[in-house]
Amino acid sequence: DIQMTQSPSSLSASVGDRVTITCRASQGISNYLAWYQQKPGKVPKLLIYAASTLQSGVPSRFSGGGSGTDFTLTISSLQYEDVATYYCQHYNSAPYTFGQGTKLEIK
Amino acid sequence: QITLKESGPTLVKPTQTLTLTCTFSGFSLNTNRMGVGWIRQPPGKALEWLALVFWDDDKRYNPSLKSRLTITKDTSKNQVVLTVTNMDPVDTATYYCAHRGAAGTWFDPWGQGTLVTVSS
Repeated sequence: DIQMTQSPSSLSASVGDRVTITCRASQGISNYLAWYQQKPGKVPKLLIYAASTLQSGVPSRFSGGGSGTDFTLTISSLQYEDVATYYCQHYNSAPYTFGQGTKLEIK
Repeated sequence: QITLKESGPTLVKPTQTLTLTCTFSGFSLNTNRMGVGWIRQPPGKALEWLALVFWDDDKRYNPSLKSRLTITKDTSKNQVVLTVTNMDPVDTATYYCAHRGAAGTWFDPWGQGTLVTVSS
C-alpha cells in the first residue's frame, strides 16, 4: 500500500502570507494526487486533482505542484477563510490513501 | 447538480453489522467510469478511504478492513450500500459517501456525512 505523509501537521501563518504544505508518497504515483480542504465542522471539499488542476470555483490563490513522490499545495496569499485542515489523497491504485492532514491556523 | 446523502443508524452495538445507504442524484452509475466511494473520519482524526464501486460493478476495498466491508449498488434506485460487520467502538466515525468522476478517483462532491457511534 502507498502511504501519504504530510508536513507540517500544523501551521500558523499571518493573513497575506504564502503558505506551502507538502505531501510525500511512499512510492511514485505520477500525478495521481488530489487535495481537499475541510473547514471546521464541514464536509471535505475538493481543491485540486491531477496534482495541479484547480477544481472549478476554487480561488486562484490555491495551486498544486509536484509529480512522482513529492507534492505541494500552496496558498499564495493566506485569507481568514482558508483556516481549515488540508488533506492529500493519492489515486494511483487502491487503497486510495489520504494523508494525515495539515491544520492551518491564522497567527 | 450532483448531490449525495447518507442514511443509516446513528448508534450501533459492538459486534453488530452497520448498514449505510448513500442516495444520490445528478448522475447515473450506469455511466461509463462513474463511481461512488465511502470514506470515514473518526472524531478529531484523519480521513480514511473504505470502499469504491464502479459503474461496471467492479469494487475496491481498503485491505485493512476488507474482510468486514461489502459495497453494493442499486442503479435503479440511485443508491449505494455499505455494510460493515463486527462493529467496534474504534469504528465510531462520521461516514461519508462521495462521487467519483469519470476522469479519476478523486472524490467530488461529498455527502453531508453521518455520525455513527458504536457503544453498548
